[in-house]
Amino acid sequence: EAGVAQSPRYKIIEKRQSVAFWCNPISGHATLYWYQQILGQGPKLLIQFQNNGVVDDSQLPKDRFSAERLKGVDSTLKIQPAKLEDSAVYLCASSLGSHNEQFFGPGTRLTVL
Amino acid sequence: SQKIEQNSEALNIQEGKTATLTCNYTNYSPAYLQWYRQDPGRGPVFLLLIRENEKEKRKERLKVTFDTTLKQSLFHITASQPADSATYLCALDKNNQGGKLIFGQGTELSVKP
Repeated sequence: EAGVAQSPRYKIIEKRQSVAFWCNPISGHATLYWYQQILGQGPKLLIQFQNNGVVDDSQLPKDRFSAERLKGVDSTLKIQPAKLEDSAVYLCASSLGSHNEQFFGPGTRLTVL
Repeated sequence: SQKIEQNSEALNIQEGKTATLTCNYTNYSPAYLQWYRQDPGRGPVFLLLIRENEKEKRKERLKVTFDTTLKQSLFHITASQPADSATYLCALDKNNQGGKLIFGQGTELSVKP
């Protein structure tokens, strides 16, 4: 069974630039999550989708972050414009349902200079 | 305020010994709690889930306990091996909020041969 795919694996940008991350969840998984993990901390949920609808985006900085999950499969997370404090690993995860174990992708390490 | 805390110090133990990791929480009433393993440069990997009505759960060399009175979960690895060296994350379900997981900061475990 293929796991959660993410790209790119690494990205370096200047502050005020924009960046986009892509995630392909495990086939058949209805729930998709985007997390931000700052060095030395646990993952923090940014947004949770159930199929192509948003379940929770309470911790998404909506003035600069946006996410979509078209057709209930792949998802993209965008940051525009980026700030220095956005430097982190962005993890995508998926699960069969919202109360099941989550399967994580390898993450995208973002460095904002 | 709501908090979830794990051993802040890294845990160093000798091969063959039992590793015990702690996860304490305040002002939450989780329906379940999950434990994940994270290796450097990789996404977390699910290990165990324990529900609020379960006192203990086992899987091979792993054992998790969940005390809702003490608001604490303990994670044990028996007969530890160098390959068990990783960061271990606990995550609790924010009750009645669509399966949203709140992660602790993680405990780094190092098993020496």
